[in-house]
Amino acid sequence: GEDVEQSLFLSVREGDSSVINCTYTDSSSTYLYWYKQEPGAGLQLLTYIFSNMDMKQDQRLTVLLNKKDKHLSLRIADTQTGDSAIYFCAESVGISSGSARQLTFGSGTQLTVLP
Amino acid sequence: EAGVVQSPRYKIIEKKQPVAFWCNPISGHNTLYWYRQNLGQGPELLIRYENEEAVDDSQLPKDRFSAERLKGVDSTLKIQPAELGDSAVYLCASSFSLSQGRNIQYFGAGTRLSVL
Repeated sequence: GEDVEQSLFLSVREGDSSVINCTYTDSSSTYLYWYKQEPGAGLQLLTYIFSNMDMKQDQRLTVLLNKKDKHLSLRIADTQTGDSAIYFCAESVGISSGSARQLTFGSGTQLTVLP
Repeated sequence: EAGVVQSPRYKIIEKKQPVAFWCNPISGHNTLYWYRQNLGQGPELLIRYENEEAVDDSQLPKDRFSAERLKGVDSTLKIQPAELGDSAVYLCASSFSLSQGRNIQYFGAGTRLSVL
């Protein structure tokens, strides 16, 4: 079965870089996603990476994908207090019907940014 | 452009009572999802619609949960009767899905259900 694992907590100082890690199990995943959830809100898509890429950069966000180890990471440069939230990794799981692929989410990493 | 709209935002009910959640997806999105998010966990899929057809409801507890998506737009999720263990946040998401391709799901703010 599919399983996505993340560490539960991460604390960093404002201005430092944050690195949130994720491991997944489905080798057929074609896309991997990072979502952010602030208190009382739904999930907001931050970025995604296609499985034939090793890295994707989008402003302060850098995604690294090690497909061999099934390891995904999200680096946030110059972390700000507004970045405090829960970050979810999700893999896109194939469905035999060939239509929309289902997302399987990790349990989330609570990022706390200290002033 | 409006995002995914869910109502109500909060619902408190006593066990054994019925409850219903409503979702209006992003205009033009053919796929609609209902997820349940328990405290401290990621969302887990309950049911997925392609237009008005429920194509994946394997995780939906069918003895008490039901859902519908009339005319392939809005959707409702119902629980009858609710149990204490149903307390969670119920999230709706929508996407415009391409076969085997990228599947970017946009989420509503969710309905937080408390069963007393």
